[in-house]
Amino acid sequence: DVKVTQSSRYLVKRTGEKVFLECVQDMDHENMFWYRQDPGLGLRLIYFSYDVKMKEKGDIPEGYSVSREKKERFSLILESASTNQTSMYLCASSLGTSGRIDTQYFGPGTRLTVL
Amino acid sequence: QQPVQSPQAVILREGEDAVINCSSSKALYSVHWYRQKHGEAPVFLMILLKGGEQKGHEKISASFNEKKQQSSLYLTASQLSYSGTYFCGTEGYNNAGNMLTFGGGTRLMVKP
Repeated sequence: DVKVTQSSRYLVKRTGEKVFLECVQDMDHENMFWYRQDPGLGLRLIYFSYDVKMKEKGDIPEGYSVSREKKERFSLILESASTNQTSMYLCASSLGTSGRIDTQYFGPGTRLTVL
Repeated sequence: QQPVQSPQAVILREGEDAVINCSSSKALYSVHWYRQKHGEAPVFLMILLKGGEQKGHEKISASFNEKKQQSSLYLTASQLSYSGTYFCGTEGYNNAGNMLTFGGGTRLMVKP
């Protein structure tokens, strides 16, 4: 069974802290994604990665960075957390071998609150 | 640019039908539909490719009108289990890699 796990379901941090969100998939997928979800705005892509050490900016990369050192793990980093980064963060992965967009499998999400 | 979904929210009684629309301002290669139940991860429903095809998943079907850059999701004889938020994701022709652009979501509540 396909599985995407995220390190925390809930996280509370203070303004200015460095925050790490971890995502692991066990499906040997090529592609991994980080989205943030806000009411009325749907899912907005922050970054995605199509291979180890490769990354591409999504629609809202400002204030975020990512790291993919191993195929199964994709980390989202908030260098200096701000209150406007309070949100639900969703990780996803997809097979990535078809050349076009294929089914994405999502993790349960991390609800981050920045105080 | 994000596709626009309508309506933003809909409340149904069990057994009623609903249509959720997804409109884009750009030419589309494919449209993807996902459903997210409360407190859970979004789950894939179906992909529609250019060519105006229609697909089905249980009593949920969808159409894709490439010329109008629109897709519609049809929920027939709704069940309580259909409650959740539905997202369309669009793939343009000039996509930089495997990027989907999601709409704002349509919240569906089915009541007994």
